Amino acid sequence: SQTIHQWPATLVQPVGSPLSLECTVEGTSNPNLYWYRQAAGRGLQLLFYSVGIGQISSEVPQNLSASRPQDRQFILSSKKLLLSDSGFYLCAFKSRRALSPLHFGNGTRLTVT
Amino acid sequence: DAKTTQPTSMDCAEGRAANLPCNHSTISGNEYVYWYRQIHSQGPQYIIHGLKNNETNEMASLIITEDRKSSTLILPHATLRDTAVYYCIVVANFGNEKLTFGTGTRLTIIP
Repeated sequence: SQTIHQWPATLVQPVGSPLSLECTVEGTSNPNLYWYRQAAGRGLQLLFYSVGIGQISSEVPQNLSASRPQDRQFILSSKKLLLSDSGFYLCAFKSRRALSPLHFGNGTRLTVT
Repeated sequence: DAKTTQPTSMDCAEGRAANLPCNHSTISGNEYVYWYRQIHSQGPQYIIHGLKNNETNEMASLIITEDRKSSTLILPHATLRDTAVYYCIVVANFGNEKLTFGTGTRLTIIP
C-alpha cells in the first residue's frame, strides 16, 4: 500500500537557525511530490512541487528551498528561518496513475521563536 | 486549473445531511472535481472525485450539475467527527502537476 512519512511532527526553532524537513513515500514509483504550508486559520499554500528527481518547481518566492535527492524523498530546507516561516507544513504525493488523488502526510507544526 | 468558490463556513445539525456547494464556472472539459477535507491539525484527506456523473462512496456523495459549473458534496448523516474544512478543487486528467487549493468551507456539526 502507498504510505507517506513526514517528520518531525512538531518543531520549535529560533530565528536565524536552519531548517530541514523530510518526507518519504512508500508503495509507488516516480510520484509527484508536493510541499504545502498552512498559516494559522488559513488555507493551503503550495510551496514546491516535483515531477522527478532533481526537478523542483517553486510557487512562492521566499526563504525556503526544496530538494528531491531520491525518487521518493522530498526535503524542505531553509538556511535562516524567519518568524514568518512559522506554520503547518504538509508533504503530499500523487501517484502516476490517472486520476489518482493527493495523499498528505500528518504535517509538521513549525514555530519560529 | 479552474478556480473554485466555496462558502467560508457552514453549520449542520448532527444526524442531518450536510450539503457543501462549490462553484467552478470556468471548468474545462478535461477537468475533474475533487473534494478533500482537513480535520483540525491533520493533513487533508481525499473524499471523492467526479467528472460529470454523480458519484457515491462510503464517505460521501458528489452531485455535479449538468453544465458542470457547480457541484455539491453531500454527507448523508453528519456526525461530530465530520467537523472539518472541506476543499473543492478541479484538476485536469493530464498535465496536472500543479495542484492548488482555495480556502475551503469550514463545516461545523452542531450536536
